[in-house]
Amino acid sequence: QSALTQPASVSGSPGQSITISCTGTSSDVGGYNYVSWYQQHPGKAPKLMIYDVSNRPSGVSNRFSGSKSGNTASLTISGLQAEDEADYYCSSYTSSSTLVFGTGTKVTVL
Amino acid sequence: EVQLVESGGGLVQPGGSLRLSCAASGFTFSSYWMSWVRQAPGKGLEWVANIKQDGSEKYYVDSVKGRFTISRDNAKNSLYLQMNSLRAEDTAVYYCARETWSGYVDYWGQGTLVTVSS
Repeated sequence: QSALTQPASVSGSPGQSITISCTGTSSDVGGYNYVSWYQQHPGKAPKLMIYDVSNRPSGVSNRFSGSKSGNTASLTISGLQAEDEADYYCSSYTSSSTLVFGTGTKVTVL
Repeated sequence: EVQLVESGGGLVQPGGSLRLSCAASGFTFSSYWMSWVRQAPGKGLEWVANIKQDGSEKYYVDSVKGRFTISRDNAKNSLYLQMNSLRAEDTAVYYCARETWSGYVDYWGQGTLVTVSS
């Protein structure tokens, strides 16, 4: 039950695109198309941004997109905006019928 | 509107016990897996436990096995987390979360803070 690995921080200028990686194993990320991504602003509950690798919930901007290759999933934010500055977490279903979250990535808009 | 409202957090001494509750509304509670997720101060999210719709299956993160028990009462639309033998490292905001069939959380409560300290 080790946490999925994410970069501690990613930054970009307004309008740019950034990508956050999320690396797991064949028992979680690589074994299922059940990766999700969450945005969390300070002092707030997390918000679902992407589910089942690449699906966006209603109301989430199409600037957010997800993908997966092997044991690594990715979240891309295009057209970076000031309001995107937050912490981002990936999550995956696992072969033990549990969930596991990533280590978290702080996104800074320069 | 889906609402999840946690209660029961507070200050407890190491070795003590606490029971968290989550009142659910705005959806058919008995149709969903439910989870508890925690976040230590300044740290990342950690999934703690989940429970099947009818309570017949329960899963836990290794660090709480044997100490925490997740349960639910579908008649009361409520989720619970009984926490025993609490340790300083259990200090965190605990979120109640609605889990979907593929394991993502689509709704979160506002969280309740549990502080384990002497």
